[in-house]
Formats: sequence, structure tokens, C-alpha cells
Amino acid sequence: ETGVTQTPRHLVMGMTNKKSLKCEQHLGHNAMYWYKQSAKKPLELMFVYSLEERVENNSVPSRFSPECPNSSHLFLHLHTLQPEDSALYLCASSLETSGSLDTQYFGPGTRLTVL
Amino acid sequence: GENVEQHPSTLSVQEGDSAVIKCTYSDSASNYFPWYKQELGKRPQLIIDIRSNVGEKKDQRIAVTLNKTAKHFSLHITETQPEDSAVYFCAVGYGNKLVFGAGTILRVKS
Repeated sequence: ETGVTQTPRHLVMGMTNKKSLKCEQHLGHNAMYWYKQSAKKPLELMFVYSLEERVENNSVPSRFSPECPNSSHLFLHLHTLQPEDSALYLCASSLETSGSLDTQYFGPGTRLTVL
Repeated sequence: GENVEQHPSTLSVQEGDSAVIKCTYSDSASNYFPWYKQELGKRPQLIIDIRSNVGEKKDQRIAVTLNKTAKHFSLHITETQPEDSAVYFCAVGYGNKLVFGAGTILRVKS
């Protein structure tokens, strides 16, 4: 499969559960991102990884824990979430060169519902 | 940090008419300005982008204009078609990240 893929596409979890979201990019990019998309709000950047190192943590609660084992894979580990964390979680990737921003390609997202 | 405002929040046009969406930003150091289209239930996809060394860019029915002095940029869609109906997001490149506008719901009535 080409582009940016995310699994699962839908997830329902209780507040005491632990789950993980997975993102994989097949574009040879070196930067990956997690965004949260809630209704009637702008896309909120959560984390940025560049060359597998976290370079941005946008004041995200510790119940969200990212992991980037290599430049093609990005995970978001979830534990003890709140109902207000229900949203569409989008992964994106881009090719960063000389510190210049480039096109970000998004995955299809994981629709998360926290009961 | 960067602050991005997008207007209007909703826009209805008749098929064949033009649509214009505007975004303003706050940090004059920002230098990359993409526009994304998100259809219902789908992922955001880049439709056009512009960098700060260019004032205008066009791709068929879509154009983006940038006014660096006034710190605003606009998306122009001409000869709108029903398949243009979607949510459009502007974004501003700030440091190593994109800051997004709140989105504009565009409805093209046939």
C-alpha cells in the first residue's frame, strides 16, 4: 500500500483501557506528525518527529505517549483517556530538507471514541 | 506563537461562480502557506501551496495569492463545481510546524 496508512480506522475504548494507534508511511519521508481533529476546531498539532527524534510536544497531556521506532512508523499510545479526547487522530508525514517545511501528506485517520 | 484566522467559516456559491477564502496570520517570519481540502470522511489533501518569495500561484481553476505586508493570503476557486464542496483549511508554516486555520465549509449548489 502506498502513501500514509493508519490503523485501526475506528476505535472505541473505555477510560481505563490502554490502546495504541499506528501510522506507517511509504513515501521515504523523514518527518512524522500526530494531529487531533475535533468538530468545529482547527487541526491541533500534537507531536512532531524529525529523523525519529521528537522535536515538538504541543503541551499534550501525558495520557498520550508517542513512539517513533524508525522513520516509517509512528505510534500513539493511549491510556486513561477522557471522553473529551474523542476525536479523529490524523497522522502525517513530510520530507524535511534544510529545515524548510514541505508538503505534509495525511493518513486517513483513526476515529476514536472514549466512553 | 503563530495565530491563524480563516474566513468565512461557511460559504455557499452557485455552480459556476467563484469562491474566495481568506486567511490572516500574525508572525511575519512565517514563509510557507498551503491549502488543504477535506471531503467528508476523508483525509485532508494539499491542493495548492505558496512560499513567501512568490505573490501568486495558479493551478487550473485554483489560485492562491499572498500579501506578505498585510500578512494575509487567499484561496480562489473559479468556475466552481459540485465536487468542490468540502472543508478547506489554510495553514501557515511556523518554525518546524504548520498552524491551521479553523476551516471553511464550501457548498456548491447546482
